Amino acid sequence: SQQGEEDPQALSIQEGENATMNCSYKTSINNLQWYRQNSGRGLVHLILIRSNEREKHSGRLRVTLDTSKKSSSLLITASRAADTASYFCATDVGWIKAAGNKLTFGGGTRVLVKP
Amino acid sequence: DAGVTQSPTHLIKTRGQQVTLRCSPKSGHDTVSWYQQALGQGPQFIFQYYEEEERQRGNFPDRFSGHQFPNYSSELNVNALLLGDSALYLCASSLLGQETQYFGPGTRLLVL
Repeated sequence: SQQGEEDPQALSIQEGENATMNCSYKTSINNLQWYRQNSGRGLVHLILIRSNEREKHSGRLRVTLDTSKKSSSLLITASRAADTASYFCATDVGWIKAAGNKLTFGGGTRVLVKP
Repeated sequence: DAGVTQSPTHLIKTRGQQVTLRCSPKSGHDTVSWYQQALGQGPQFIFQYYEEEERQRGNFPDRFSGHQFPNYSSELNVNALLLGDSALYLCASSLLGQETQYFGPGTRLLVL
């Protein structure tokens, strides 16, 4: 089962516009991470936000986390054609001694940035 | 510094066959996780290995098994393949206790 649900499922924007996608999850978490996937290949880690953080920035990326609503958002500013990809949120309940940790992914948002 | 590598990149099998997928973790990493990603969906956690033992397992049948070698590389084995096993299989490595996992390019398995 997938813990996170992304919204929208697909997004089409013009180059230069901002793209916002949301992620909701069900259980308490240690951190939430966003990944990008190009053309069905490997995932690239974008940003991690811990449960005690509310907002984080990395270049053109801005992530927010609202643990009371169990939701997160990813904003990509000034989008470029190269940002065309699928974006996934993944929750982590934390590393458990002798049991490790696992990421639980949502279904993803497919973003198309038109030149 | 080599990232996570996986082999093969593509594989075609028929129902009932067995398959072995391989993963070499990023240099310095000791933990390997495997995920299955069906078309149009997010990755699903299969299991995680460190110290050559399976430490945590997702909701996958016993047909899915794995192994980790002393050099931290790992194999994923799937027996009695079903059509529904067709997917992209992703390997991710990390350092024990660290949160970020680094993914390989995946192996695309097609079961006919």
